[in-house]
Amino acid sequence: QVQLQESGPGLVKPSQTLSLTCTVSGGSISSGGYYWSWIRQHPGKGLEWIGYIYYSGSTYYNPSLKSRVTISVDTSKNQFSLKLSSVTAADTAVYYCARGEVVTVDFDYWGQGTLVTVSS
Amino acid sequence: DIQMTQSPSSLSASVGDRVTITCRASQSISSYLNWYQQKPGKAPKLLIYAASSLQSGVPSRFSGSGSGTDFTLTISSLQPEDFATYYCQQSYSTPVTFGQGTRLEIK
Repeated sequence: QVQLQESGPGLVKPSQTLSLTCTVSGGSISSGGYYWSWIRQHPGKGLEWIGYIYYSGSTYYNPSLKSRVTISVDTSKNQFSLKLSSVTAADTAVYYCARGEVVTVDFDYWGQGTLVTVSS
Repeated sequence: DIQMTQSPSSLSASVGDRVTITCRASQSISSYLNWYQQKPGKAPKLLIYAASSLQSGVPSRFSGSGSGTDFTLTISSLQPEDFATYYCQQSYSTPVTFGQGTRLEIK
């Protein structure tokens, strides 16, 4: 059974960089066939795709966030990470990591989500 | 970006009812459409992928149909655990986009 777990600070100051890591267990990122994704949800709102990465390092970002987002992968640790720079209060959200199948890009496994608040 | 519009935004129904939620894409997305269920404080759960394929472990009362721009999620007989928010998601092109959600409430 694949499991994903987000970790990182729950509070980030404005203008700083939000950094989160997703640790994958029960399956190897290196096995291929999946995009490893970050998705966020503003409080009480819908879902927003941030981007995803393939095990090879190929990345795809939402153009609305592209200038501020970096997603990276560490296959030796079976982890992938999100960095979002120059954050504002508008980046306060629950951040999810998820696995997306390459062909249908359906997100079949999700982390439990972590709330990140941007505040001084 | 492909815009996904769900209707209705909210819906009240009773246990045992048949319920249909609609999702419309702003352009053709073939069958690249997925459906999720989300309960408060939980991550979304994949129900249907590729418009009509039932995800493993999901009860057969859930079904999906459609192609092109118009899609539906049907729950044939509502159970108490089905009261939640439902989202559609297109995977035809990046950026991946989601519908705004349909909140299914108990009547």
